[in-house]
Order: sequence, then C-alpha cells, then structure tokens
Amino acid sequence: RKEVEQDPGPFNVPEGATVAFNCTYSNSASQSFFWYRQDCRKEPKLLMSVYSSGNEDGRFTAQLNRASQYISLLIRDSKLSDSATYLCVPKGWNYGGSQGNLIFGKGTKLSVKP
Amino acid sequence: GAGVSQSPRYKVAKRGQDVALRCDPISGHVSLFWYQQALGQGPEFLTYFQNEAQLDKSGLPSDRFFAERPEGSVSTLKIQRTQQEDSAVYLCASSLPGQEKLFFGSGTQLSVL
Repeated sequence: RKEVEQDPGPFNVPEGATVAFNCTYSNSASQSFFWYRQDCRKEPKLLMSVYSSGNEDGRFTAQLNRASQYISLLIRDSKLSDSATYLCVPKGWNYGGSQGNLIFGKGTKLSVKP
Repeated sequence: GAGVSQSPRYKVAKRGQDVALRCDPISGHVSLFWYQQALGQGPEFLTYFQNEAQLDKSGLPSDRFFAERPEGSVSTLKIQRTQQEDSAVYLCASSLPGQEKLFFGSGTQLSVL
C-alpha cells in the first residue's frame, strides 16, 4: 500500500458547488496532517493544518479519521480561484522534537468552471 | 529575502553532465528540505537539514545525488552524471524551528537531454 493515496481527479465542478476530496495514509504513527495547494507550475503552499478530529477555515473544512486512516477536505461555494491541485500531506516521524519530513500525496486536481 | 529563493529557475543539462542547484532559505529558518517533483506527481522527499546537519538523506535516489548546507543557511543539491530520469522540478523548502508550515521556493526545473 502506498504511503499516501489520493484520487487524482480531475474533479470538474461548477462555481458554487461543494466538493470533497479524500486521502488515505498508511503510517498509523502520523500525528500531524496538512493540505497543501499547488497551482499549475507553482510551488505548494499550505492551505490547512489538521489536528485531532478536524479544522475549519471559512469555506474549507478538513476532517481526520484516525481509525480509518483518512483525511478529507471539503470546499463549499467553490470559486474559480479554487482551481488547483490539492496535496494531502501526513507528517512523517520526528527527530527528537525537531521536524520530520512531510510525505506528499500525488494530489487531486480540481477545476472550477463558470 | 522575503521568501525561499532557488536558482537557476531552469536548467538544461546533457546526459552525463554534473549540475548544482542552489537554495537560499528564509533568514532564520533552521529546517531545510529538498523535494523532487516529477510531472503529474506530488513532491517526493529527498533530504532534510537542521542547520548544517543533514538529519535525513533517505530520499536521495542514488549516490549521484549529494546535498550540503555547510554554514546552515544556503544549501546546494548536486547531481552527478545526470540521467534522463533526473528530469524534474527540484523544490526547496524551509521552516522556523518548532513550526510545521513549510515555505517552498519556486523550484528549479531540470531537463536532462
């Protein structure tokens, strides 16, 4: 099983739609989870951190299900500017309190149409 | 600078040539990461530094890949005897101590012909 699995999409949705992506991870020891957004030919940028059961930030809601080892991202009222690839990122191990590496999924491509 | 700076932005190399990619992290960022991103894939971890110490190099695909950060700031990723499969975008990221948010540079797109 791959460390991080995501549906590559593309998800093509109209403006205003609600869309959800799921991501499964294999390392049960992962403690921190993130969603990064990557626009075409650009670098990834942090969208949301996901701790405990979930997190909400405006139109974006991320949820974590540790028992089933998946995290989800829900986008409400989609905007054209939401078009991007969304990368699921569980964090790897820590080094005595310092930072461990992030394991990126392949990403889910979202295209919001007018 | 205000963000993570990488150079060159584009690099074309002939197969067998050596290349060096530079990363200038945000000032004060202790942690520095190198990732490799092939077309249509997510970034793949290569190596991680905390200050000048290379704490993890498990992602380096072969001994042709070498990274250093001698003074704990600027880092260089060197690829010797480049192969076509090395063609990818090489991303550098840095972060503050104790912070989990990574700041990425714009990457170096390497094309090996």
